[in-house]
Amino acid sequence: GQQLNQSPQSMFIQEGEDVSMNCTSSSIFNTWLWYKQDPGEGPVLLIALYKAGELTSNGRLTAQFGITRKDSFLNISASIPSDVGIYFCAGQLRGAQKLVFGQGTRLTINP
Amino acid sequence: GAGVSQSPSNKVTEKGKDVELRCDPISGHTALYWYRQSLGQGLEFLIYFQGNSAPDKSGLPSDRFSAERTGGSVSTLTIQRTQQEDSAVYLCASSLGEPREKLFFGSGTQLSVL
Repeated sequence: GQQLNQSPQSMFIQEGEDVSMNCTSSSIFNTWLWYKQDPGEGPVLLIALYKAGELTSNGRLTAQFGITRKDSFLNISASIPSDVGIYFCAGQLRGAQKLVFGQGTRLTINP
Repeated sequence: GAGVSQSPSNKVTEKGKDVELRCDPISGHTALYWYRQSLGQGLEFLIYFQGNSAPDKSGLPSDRFSAERTGGSVSTLTIQRTQQEDSAVYLCASSLGEPREKLFFGSGTQLSVL
């Protein structure tokens, strides 16, 4: 099936640092989304991207839909303790309803 | 309801038993999805409903897995003759069903097969 390669798998950073993670695929996606999952909860949508080249911000979060439609990145600026969690990228193929998810990036922040 | 509701939140069962997991989607959402998340892994698609029909059930891992949806609302995922490798968090999501509509997830059912 379709696969998204997400990296890094884990990050250990200091509070206040910026964070960058990305997803790549061999397939062309129509939509890219970024979700965050806290322990014991389902993923929550952070940012949705619908056009190649689109750059979208949500507070300290910025994400881009790659121009080739095969990749996306998420940046978090000035990290704070509540940013801790697992971040997932997800892509949607043209005409498909289901989302394909990356393996996740586990973010740990040292105060 | 205000969000996607799943029950039970935790289920411990013995190998070989059948289990039923329930999902109540957001009111008015026509599309409903089941995903499985194994420990430390990403989300694995299982099945998608549009209304009461399942146009995509390609992710169901074996014939021990089945799902149904009634009244365009509640869905039940059934796992027969559970195996230890079925242990995972089973997540349900719903959306308005239009292209590009956002998926909203429930908190999941943690299934442990002993």
